[in-house]
Amino acid sequence: DQQVKQNSPSLSVQEGRISILNCDYTNSMFDYFLWYKKYPAEGPTFLISISSIKDKNEDGRFTVFLNKSAKHLSLHIVPSQPGDSAVYFCAASAMNRDDKIIFGKGTRLHILP
Amino acid sequence: DAMVIQNPRYQVTQFGKPVTLSCSQTLNHNVMYWYQQKSSQAPKLLFHYYDKDFNNEADTPDNFQSRRPNTSFCFLDIRSPGLGDAAMYLCATSRKTGLLYNEQFFGPGTRLTVL
Repeated sequence: DQQVKQNSPSLSVQEGRISILNCDYTNSMFDYFLWYKKYPAEGPTFLISISSIKDKNEDGRFTVFLNKSAKHLSLHIVPSQPGDSAVYFCAASAMNRDDKIIFGKGTRLHILP
Repeated sequence: DAMVIQNPRYQVTQFGKPVTLSCSQTLNHNVMYWYQQKSSQAPKLLFHYYDKDFNNEADTPDNFQSRRPNTSFCFLDIRSPGLGDAAMYLCATSRKTGLLYNEQFFGPGTRLTVL
């Protein structure tokens, strides 16, 4: 049973517009959430994270929103750029329980010219 | 640059022939992880080391073993690879300080093909 779900396998967005990637989780023990970005033939690279004590974290063009009551988080990329085309993984962790993070299946983002 | 290195990047082995994948890190992180990722699926944690303490996931097959001879190196041994073990194997590291969690840094992965 998937604890972290990314229900959109792919997403296409026009360059310059906003990209919104969604993620849902089922485990209420999760208290730390991360987004990773992966290019072909490379390992995932950390993008941005958020603790459950916050509902928003912003870093440049990237903002993550957390809705704990809905067990939902989203990653907003504004404005979208060609280099943002990649696979984005949502991940979650129960920080005080162990050192593990649970990944979603990923969403492939295509930025269209 | 501090980094996580995986060798080889591509590995071909025969059904049942043991294979070892290598990971090294220059980050001096105390936690090292091995993940298996199959096409269009989430990376699946196989096991991790917190310093020298080995933590195996309950559903990791016995066919998969790991060694961490020192802080910098970690190995994944697949004793008798089956066709279903063909996948991308990702190594990652992180620094855990008390209860404070830090993000994981990934290597580029080793793509394993089983013939």
